Amino acid sequence: GAVVSQHPSRVICKSGTSVKIECRSLDFQATTMFWYRQFPKQSLMLMATSNEGSKATYEQGVEKDKFLINHASLTLSTLTVTSAHPEDSSFYICSASGDGLTDTQYFGPGTRLTVL
Amino acid sequence: QKEVEQDPGPLSVPEGAIVSLNCTYSNSAFQYFMWYRQYSRKGPELLMYTYSSGNKEDGRFTAQVDKSSKYISLFIRDSQPSDSATYLCAMMNYGGSQGNLIFGKGTKLSVKP
Repeated sequence: GAVVSQHPSRVICKSGTSVKIECRSLDFQATTMFWYRQFPKQSLMLMATSNEGSKATYEQGVEKDKFLINHASLTLSTLTVTSAHPEDSSFYICSASGDGLTDTQYFGPGTRLTVL
Repeated sequence: QKEVEQDPGPLSVPEGAIVSLNCTYSNSAFQYFMWYRQYSRKGPELLMYTYSSGNKEDGRFTAQVDKSSKYISLFIRDSQPSDSATYLCAMMNYGGSQGNLIFGKGTKLSVKP
């Protein structure tokens, strides 16, 4: 099956710093990548959708200047949390689709962000 | 009313039991239905993918969709301790963007040896 990786798996940073999370599709070309956030005991919430070479489309309530998304290639998307604050602490998960079969979303393992 | 409702559990069963997991939804436009398994501190893993109504079987897993009742189910036969995880239902209307995937909150399952 399709494999999606994320790096780092866990990051702890100080308030006010920026953190970059990478999402890679390892064995297929992902025409579309998605970024989700998951708080404890909550469902996955879509933050933004990005298509390769285009600007990301953000969901209502998600600050595009705070959560910078770059989808520069068919196998890599990055999410940068700028000027992170403790309330940004969460589990960030990316997914990728475009394997040409069902357009199913394949999820990465997630990145646990803790902002002190 | 939320678009997708899922009992968060926790659900605890003995090894070998048949597990039934369910979701209800309100949007009749949903056409694609998925079940994901999420182990603790990991990303969701796609288990089953169903289009429209009907049943789909894959090994010990069976997914059912009843669009008339807006109700979907995942059955796990001969449950194993390794099945212990959180199971998320998800669905989407393909008329929208691919990202319009709506998740349930997940049901936490524990299979006791």
